[in-house]
Amino acid sequence: DTGVTQSPTHLIKTRGQQVTLRCSPISGHKSVSWYQQVLGQGPQFIFQYYEKEERGRGNFPDRFSARQFPNYSSELNVNALLLGDSALYLCASSLSPDTQYFGPGTRLTVL
Amino acid sequence: GNSVTQMEGPVTLSEEAFLTINCTYTATGYPSLFWYVQYPGEGLQLLLKATKADDKGSNKGFEATYRKETTSFHLEKGSVQVSDSAVYFCALSDRGGGSEKLVFGKGTKLTVNP
Repeated sequence: DTGVTQSPTHLIKTRGQQVTLRCSPISGHKSVSWYQQVLGQGPQFIFQYYEKEERGRGNFPDRFSARQFPNYSSELNVNALLLGDSALYLCASSLSPDTQYFGPGTRLTVL
Repeated sequence: GNSVTQMEGPVTLSEEAFLTINCTYTATGYPSLFWYVQYPGEGLQLLLKATKADDKGSNKGFEATYRKETTSFHLEKGSVQVSDSAVYFCALSDRGGGSEKLVFGKGTKLTVNP
């Protein structure tokens, strides 16, 4: 089975720019969550989507937004990038409650 | 709010040594508990989980038991290998506010030397 896939793998942007990250869940999984992992820290929850609706949002500014498509894939958008947005962005999908399976992540560097 | 505290690293062991990584949690209710592993340059892999008190999760020689009385979920392995070198994250499920999110500890880096 194909696991969670994310694109791109790496991304370099400058301050003030906008970025879109993409995620495809495991086949049959209807829930997608996004996490931000700053170097040396554990992942922090950003969003959860289920059946195209936002189920939860973490403590992130409105510059962060996301959506889920009918095929359950998802996009995370970040506007007006700051240096502090540099991180590994992880997508996770789940079928049953609790158990989330993570993709390889997108490494975002903001210069 | 719910939180996870795990032992600070890094931890350095010789091959075949015994491993313990401590994890305690603070939560309302009875969350599910998880250990994830992250190899260099990769995403997180689910290592094991436990969904209720006294449950023992196990995988690839790793074990952890859900201890409600001590609010702990310590990770153990009897004999580590060089290939176990990675960062280990303890996490709990938080079902508040209509979402099901994971709350992670800060991670413990393990290095196993031959």
